[in-house]
Amino acid sequence: QLQLQESGPGLVRPSETLSVICTVSNGSISGGSDYWAWIRQPPGKGLEWIGSSYYTGSSYWNPPLKSRVIMSVDTSNNQFSMRLTSVTAADTAMYYCARVVKGVTGHFDRWGPGILVTVSS
Amino acid sequence: SHGLTQPPSVSVSPGQTASISCSGERLGDRYVSWYQQRPGQSPVLVIYHDSRRPPGIPDRISGSNSGNTATLTVSGTQSMDEADYYCQAWDSSTVVFGGGTKLTVL
Repeated sequence: QLQLQESGPGLVRPSETLSVICTVSNGSISGGSDYWAWIRQPPGKGLEWIGSSYYTGSSYWNPPLKSRVIMSVDTSNNQFSMRLTSVTAADTAMYYCARVVKGVTGHFDRWGPGILVTVSS
Repeated sequence: SHGLTQPPSVSVSPGQTASISCSGERLGDRYVSWYQQRPGQSPVLVIYHDSRRPPGIPDRISGSNSGNTATLTVSGTQSMDEADYYCQAWDSSTVVFGGGTKLTVL
């Protein structure tokens, strides 16, 4: 079955850019109606949607984060990525990638294990 | 976008039925999904389209959605059901999650 795996630095300095890549296996990131999403969870807190992208590049963002988020899809490597600029300690969180089925308004049926990113000097 | 409100915690005795609510303006007009997150694990989809279960989710877990409230029901609660549960919906071109409910099996 389809699997997702996040990767990237676990430590980012304040004011710098956080970058996470999600590698999709046992399935294609291209075609169909699926979108590919990023969700984060600060330690001890709830889930926060960051944004979702289609393989063509069409994207939706959470408005409070939109000005700092850059999302892209790499169909040749079956990966999608997220960059968050000008990070602060408030951006410390577990970052998850997930598949959104049946269009951008669909549900998240597959999640990666997550990657903990800490923002600290 | 409109937020989704969940109770912070719900407690239930083993074998009993637990109900977790999720409230939002005209929530019944939108599809609601529910996710179970056990400690140290990623969220798992347990209900989508208000009441549908993905493969592998026991029929002890059910969902409903009407008016301004969606409800997740766990029947015959077991210790393995102890987890955080999050509702989720799409609203005004954004994804919205509820704040989460910690289900404790006493």
